Amino acid sequence: DAGVIQSPRHEVTEMGQEVTLRCKPISGHNSLFWYRQTMMRGLELLIYFNNNVPIDDSGMPEDRFSAKMPNASFSTLKIQPSEPRDSAVYFCASSLVASADNEQFFGPGTRLTVL
Amino acid sequence: AQSVTQLDSHVSVSEGTPVLLRCNYSSSYSPSLFWYVQHPNKGLQLLLKYTSAATLVKGINGFEAEFKKSETSFHLTKPSAHMSDAAEYFCVVGSRSARQLTFGSGTQLTVLP
Repeated sequence: DAGVIQSPRHEVTEMGQEVTLRCKPISGHNSLFWYRQTMMRGLELLIYFNNNVPIDDSGMPEDRFSAKMPNASFSTLKIQPSEPRDSAVYFCASSLVASADNEQFFGPGTRLTVL
Repeated sequence: AQSVTQLDSHVSVSEGTPVLLRCNYSSSYSPSLFWYVQHPNKGLQLLLKYTSAATLVKGINGFEAEFKKSETSFHLTKPSAHMSDAAEYFCVVGSRSARQLTFGSGTQLTVLP
């Protein structure tokens, strides 16, 4: 398996623009997680899905952020409109089940810069 | 509720000397504990995992960690540091009831030649 795949790896955009980050989890994994990593706040869980259903989105910063998982092999995280404070590395991770004693496998991340 | 505290934000060792990265946790339930490593510009990779079996857990690249319930600790060790060990290390706690992992703030390990 190729592991968790994220695209793009780098994104530079201007304030106010829409940004869409993409993730393909490991085949057979039923849970998918979106994280944001910054120097100031470290690694934060934004949202996670179990069997394509959003379970906990309490980490989503505000209404500008939205996430979808239309099928078991694809998820998107959208920011509209983007702001400079959204600049961060966004990680997608997947695991077999949504149980916190299960290992999560991380993608390489998307480095987002909002000018 | 669960939480994890990494006691050192930065650790610096010389190549060939032992590594100790400290982690304390808090959990209302029987915890699962993990150490992840993140090399520059890379995603997180699992080093090792404790889930109520043997208290001494061996991981990849010569790392190991010991679960000490009485001290609520899960410190990461390696007998001899290698230059390639330079990275950021995250201690993570989870439990079946919590449904999600809680990450520590990370420890940046520097290995000096």
